[in-house]
Amino acid sequence: DGGITQSPKYLFRKEGQNVTLSCEQNLNHDAMYWYRQDPGQGLRLIYYSQIVNDFQKGDIAEGYSVSREKKESFPLTVTSAQKNPTAFYLCASSTGYWNTEAFFGQGTRLTVV
Amino acid sequence: GQQLNQSPQSMFIQEGEDVSMNCTSSSIFNTWLWYKQDPGEGPVLLIALYKAGELTSNGRLTAQFGITRKDSFLNISASIPSDVGIYFCASMDSNYQLIWGAGTKLIIKP
Repeated sequence: DGGITQSPKYLFRKEGQNVTLSCEQNLNHDAMYWYRQDPGQGLRLIYYSQIVNDFQKGDIAEGYSVSREKKESFPLTVTSAQKNPTAFYLCASSTGYWNTEAFFGQGTRLTVV
Repeated sequence: GQQLNQSPQSMFIQEGEDVSMNCTSSSIFNTWLWYKQDPGEGPVLLIALYKAGELTSNGRLTAQFGITRKDSFLNISASIPSDVGIYFCASMDSNYQLIWGAGTKLIIKP
């Protein structure tokens, strides 16, 4: 079945460590996105990629980094520079940047301990 | 920047009741989307609206694209326990980025 897969579901990190969240899709979508969700808030865009080997900063990119070496994969690294990294992270994809219909993964809950 | 104002923030309802929520903005949009997020999961698209005045149904859900293009509402008829979750409205800005409301949390009274 086609879909978008995030792993792991839960992740614990010590302060000062970098951690990478995985996002893979087999929908043949060109565009991929990373969002951060905090309780009681809407989704905030961290980074997005409209095509392989290209990505753009979203509204809250500071302390995060991404790569898009393959169409299917868009990993997100939460660096030690991110001051408040504990959150629910959602990856999404769409057929193209012009397409409003995004498909989401199940999310990764990151907790800094 | 552009914002979507979603209300109410949360709702407590009895099973079987109808539910109504809305999303407004000071800006004009060409698209309105409604997503539902179950606890611990990613949002799932329920209904997409592309034309002012459009009324679209998906089972017990009905959504409308406001005629002014600045608002949309979502109705759920005869609510059931699996309707629990957070409902988000979303639209697309001029940079082709989705912007999101803060969500309406639906809670069904036992």
